[in-house]
Amino acid sequence: QSVLTQPPSASGTPGQRVTISCSGSSSNIGSDHLYWYQHLPGTAPKLLIDANNQRPSGVPDRFSGSKSGTSASLAISGLRSDDEADYYCAAWDGRLRGHVFGTGTKVTVL
Amino acid sequence: EVQVVESGGGLVRPGGSLRLSCVVSGFIFSSTDFHWVRQPTGKGLEWVSGVSTVAHTYYADSVRGRFTISRENAKSSLYLQMNSLRGEDTAVYYCAGGVNGWVYWGQGTLVTVSS
Repeated sequence: QSVLTQPPSASGTPGQRVTISCSGSSSNIGSDHLYWYQHLPGTAPKLLIDANNQRPSGVPDRFSGSKSGTSASLAISGLRSDDEADYYCAAWDGRLRGHVFGTGTKVTVL
Repeated sequence: EVQVVESGGGLVRPGGSLRLSCVVSGFIFSSTDFHWVRQPTGKGLEWVSGVSTVAHTYYADSVRGRFTISRENAKSSLYLQMNSLRGEDTAVYYCAGGVNGWVYWGQGTLVTVSS
């Protein structure tokens, strides 16, 4: 059972804005960097938001991350059909002495 | 272009062992930590183990004492020795690394633990 909690699903129509939340604690989100990954099953996961809350090269500016206290969120604006994927937050957990992924959110474009 | 290629997956009986390998090219492998991440069928991503640039190792509680991670910088390679395998270790195993986040990932190798 993950220590980072995400809603199991989110959806929107093309062009809409979708937000995904990630809830943690003081030992992970509250004290270290937070990352976001996009994953289509059967393919390699892709880093969307890095340790500095920046987008790696090639990630469109439709994706943005924010963090406050022990929670974080990923926003996808101008939703497109190819945004349909699973999205995971991730962080280092100082209490567990290891990295942790969120429970994952499946985004569906209606 | 950076390439990350995992190998070594397969079918193994419960209690058995398997060694996964990951070869990285197009990137200075020794310059960053590398990790193993797995995804059981129908489930989410799970971090398994990581090794730092100075060979400090870290493990998820679920594999500590059974799995051993190592790296060989001269061969730009990462390894995962998996012993005492269980059914719940069945998953696609990914090799991942990068600075400021895991930007380099392989396509994964499937490990199936079944009798």
